[in-house]
Amino acid sequence: DSGVTQTPKHLITATGQRVTLRCSPRSGDLSVYWYQQSLDQGLQFLIQYYNGEERAKGNILERFSAQQFPDLHSELNLSSLELGDSALYFCASSASGIGHNEQFFGPGTRLTVL
Amino acid sequence: AQSVSQHNHHVILSEAASLELGCNYSYGGTVNLFWYVQYPGQHLQLLLKYFSGDPLVKGIKGFEAEFIKSKFSFNLRKPSVQWSDTAEYFCAALGPESSASKIIFGSGTRLSIRP
Repeated sequence: DSGVTQTPKHLITATGQRVTLRCSPRSGDLSVYWYQQSLDQGLQFLIQYYNGEERAKGNILERFSAQQFPDLHSELNLSSLELGDSALYFCASSASGIGHNEQFFGPGTRLTVL
Repeated sequence: AQSVSQHNHHVILSEAASLELGCNYSYGGTVNLFWYVQYPGQHLQLLLKYFSGDPLVKGIKGFEAEFIKSKFSFNLRKPSVQWSDTAEYFCAALGPESSASKIIFGSGTRLSIRP
């Protein structure tokens, strides 16, 4: 158990819908990262937040957005869902915003868009 | 563009065989390198990491990796694999931390160990 929690574990929804994925980092970690893992694209970094502020942006679509709240949990919002958004979404946390700190990954949320 | 390449998509070995998984990166300058493992149905876990110093890095579970700057490589090795090493292995690289650099993962190598 990494100490990072993600809810829900599984999510099944339809195209065009909007979903919110939630992540709670390890106790004391200030940085949260979101990743998308799909069969064709592999593991892609989406976005990083550090202490409530956006720190780095990766291959995140405009239909997707994220935020980190004062209690440091983070939410990833996916809207106007398409079939290709079906993937495993991982959250990771690290102690600081410095890249070389180890990232601890959560169990992931499996999103299926029908 | 920065990239990380793992050329072996699927490796099948027998128990006790030696393992080497290739990883090449295309960053210039200072780079931090990682190997992560994802066991079936589980989250990613860090095996080892290289930031500076000794280019031969020891990790958990008997794994090691060697950073060869001239070859832009960071290959993962284990002298004798076990069935429990069956997993997907990801190499990752992170550029200089001067400004919000982002970690880039390779496409992963699936390792299957025959008992």
